[in-house]
Amino acid sequence: EIVMTQSPATLSVSVGERATLSCRASQSISYNLAWYQQKSGQGPRLLIYGAHTRATGIPDRFSGSGSGTEFFLTVSSLQSDDFAVYFCQQYHHWPPITFGQGTRLEIK
Amino acid sequence: EMNLVESGGGLVQPGGSLRLSCVASGFTFRAYWMHWIRLVPGKGLVWVARINTDASTTSHADSVEGRFTISRDNLKNILYLQMSDLRDEDTATYFCTRDVTYGSGSFLDLWGQGSLVTVSS
Repeated sequence: EIVMTQSPATLSVSVGERATLSCRASQSISYNLAWYQQKSGQGPRLLIYGAHTRATGIPDRFSGSGSGTEFFLTVSSLQSDDFAVYFCQQYHHWPPITFGQGTRLEIK
Repeated sequence: EMNLVESGGGLVQPGGSLRLSCVASGFTFRAYWMHWIRLVPGKGLVWVARINTDASTTSHADSVEGRFTISRDNLKNILYLQMSDLRDEDTATYFCTRDVTYGSGSFLDLWGQGSLVTVSS
C-alpha cells in the first residue's frame, strides 16, 4: 500500500497571501495524484487531478505541481473561503486508493 | 444539479449492524463506478469499498472485508453499504462518492455530505 504523507499538519496564512501545501508518496506514483478541499460539515470537493489539472469550476488561484513522489498544491492570494482541510490522494496503485492525513489551512 | 445524499447513520453498539444508503440524482447513476470513503477522526480519509456499474464486481478494504458489503440498485439510483459486526474503529463519517477511472486508478469527482456512524456501548 502506498503511504501518502502531507505537511505541514496545520498552515497559518493571512488572507491575500500564498499558501503551499506538500504531499509525498512512499513510492513513485507518476502524475496519478488528486487534491481535495473539505469544509466542516461538507463532503470533500475535487480540486486537482493528474497532479496539475484543475477540476471543472475550480478557480485558477489553485494550482498543482510535482510528479513521482513529491507534489504541491499552491493557493495564490488566499480568500476567506479557502480556509479548510486539504487532502491528497494517489490512484497509481490500486487497490486501495490512499489519502494523506490532511493539512488544515487556517487564517493567521 | 448532480447530487449524492447519504442516510442511515447513527449510534450503534459494538457488534451491531447498520445500512447506509446514498441517493444519486442529476446524472446517469448506472454509468458510474461508485465508492464508499470514510473520514476517521485523527486519521483522515480511508477508502472502504468500490462497486462497478452493474454490481458484478466489488472490492472492499481489508479492514472491513467480510463485515461490510457494498451494493447498488440502478433502477432506484441508490448505493448501499451494509455494515455488520461493527467495531469501535468503524466510527467515522461515511461518504458516498463517484468514480472517475483515469489511467491505472480512480479519483473521486462527486461526494455526498456524509453520514455519521458512531459505534459505542
